[in-house]
Amino acid sequence: DIQMTQSPSSLSASVGDRVTITCRASQSISSYLNWYQQKPGKAPKLLIYAASSLQSGVPSRFSGSGSGTDFTLTISSLQPEDFATYYCQQSYSTPPTFGPGTKVDIK
Amino acid sequence: QVQLVESGGGVVQPGGSLRLSCAASGFTFSSYGMHWVRQAPGKGLEWVAFIRYDGSNKYYADSVKGRFTISRDNSKNTLYLQMNSLRAEDTAVYYCAKDAGDGYIHWMDYWGQGTLVTVSS
Repeated sequence: DIQMTQSPSSLSASVGDRVTITCRASQSISSYLNWYQQKPGKAPKLLIYAASSLQSGVPSRFSGSGSGTDFTLTISSLQPEDFATYYCQQSYSTPPTFGPGTKVDIK
Repeated sequence: QVQLVESGGGVVQPGGSLRLSCAASGFTFSSYGMHWVRQAPGKGLEWVAFIRYDGSNKYYADSVKGRFTISRDNSKNTLYLQMNSLRAEDTAVYYCAKDAGDGYIHWMDYWGQGTLVTVSS
C-alpha cells in the first residue's frame, strides 16, 4: 500500500495568513492526489483533485500543486471558515489511502 | 443537488452484524462508482470499500476483507455495506461517498453525513 504523510500535523495561524500544507507519498503517484477539508462533526469536503484542479464551488484562495511524491495545498489568505482539518488522499492505486491530516486552528 | 443519506448505524455486540444503507439522489446513481469510508472517534479517514457503477467489481481494505460486503441496487439508488463479525476496532462513523468516475477509483466528490457504528458489549 502507498503510505501518505502530511506536515505539519497541526498549525496555528491568523486570519489573512498564507498557509501551506505538505503531503508526501511513499512512491510516485503522478498527479493522483486529492485534498479534502473536514470540520468538526461534519463530513469531508473535496477541495482539490488531480493535484491542482479546484473542485466546483471551492474558493480560489485554495490551490494545489505537485507531482510524483511531493504535493502542497496552499490557502492564500486564511478565512475564519477555513479552520478545519485537511487530508490528502492518493488515487493512484488501490487501496486509496489518506494522509493523517493537518489541523489548522486559530492563533 | 447531490444528496447521500446513510442509515443503519447503531450499537452492536462484538461478533454481531449490521447493514448500512446509503440513499442517493440528485445524480445518475447507476453511472458512478461508490465508496464507504470510515473514521474512528478522534482519528483520521480510512477507506473501507469501493464498488463499480454496475456492481461488477468490488474492492476492500485488508482490515475488512472477508467480513464486510459492499453492494448496490441501482433500481433503488441505494448503496449498502453488510458488516459481519464486527470487532471493537470497527467502531467509527461510516460515510458513503460518490466517486467522480464510473469504473476505477478517482476522487470522492460528494459525501454523506455519516452514520455511527459502535461495537461494544
